[in-house]
Amino acid sequence: AQSVTQLDSQVPVFEEAPVELRCNYSSSVSVYLFWYVQYPNQGLQLLLKYLSGSTLVKGINGFEAEFNKSQTSFHLRKPSVHISDTAEYFCAVTPSNTGKLIFGQGTTLQVKP
Amino acid sequence: EAGVVQSPRYKIIEKKQPVAFWCNPISGHNTLYWYLQNLGQGPELLIRYENEEAVDDSQLPKDRFSAERLKGVDSTLKIQPAELGDSAVYLCASSLFGQGGGDTQYFGPGTRLTVL
Repeated sequence: AQSVTQLDSQVPVFEEAPVELRCNYSSSVSVYLFWYVQYPNQGLQLLLKYLSGSTLVKGINGFEAEFNKSQTSFHLRKPSVHISDTAEYFCAVTPSNTGKLIFGQGTTLQVKP
Repeated sequence: EAGVVQSPRYKIIEKKQPVAFWCNPISGHNTLYWYLQNLGQGPELLIRYENEEAVDDSQLPKDRFSAERLKGVDSTLKIQPAELGDSAVYLCASSLFGQGGGDTQYFGPGTRLTVL
């Protein structure tokens, strides 16, 4: 079975500061990794995903994530956040032979002016 | 291109009443998913369709929940009868292909259900 742990439920940060949202996963099989963002009253939008190849993945809106197989982590980073980045962020995995997304509990990013 | 469409966006019902949610996926997407999102939690898969076939419904509470995807396009999720604990957001998603796992899933805005 697979599981995803997002280590911080809330991350407050000032505008233009860097941010890291942490994600660890557990799986006995190979997985693909995803980060989704959810703005209030909206559906989830894909930020980035790791399937294979380079462990540093760049996504939309200036976000990037690094896959670390030995530490089973997939942390999300942004060097300088904006007020508009305030949202809920979800890390998810899917076993490489299925389409079933398994989500973490989410991290609320609160960007303060 | 149009995204995943869901209706209604909000629904308030009394417990023991039936309720249905509708989803129209992105045109050409073969795979359709229904997720349940409780407050403060990540979405959890209820059912996954490959065209008309439900290929994973292991998490669907079949005593009260049912789903269909006639003609392999739009889909309906039904709850009968609804219970207080069913209050949540029901998300629909679609992807071009489900097999392989790496396909991007595109989510609709969800239906927020409140059971009184």
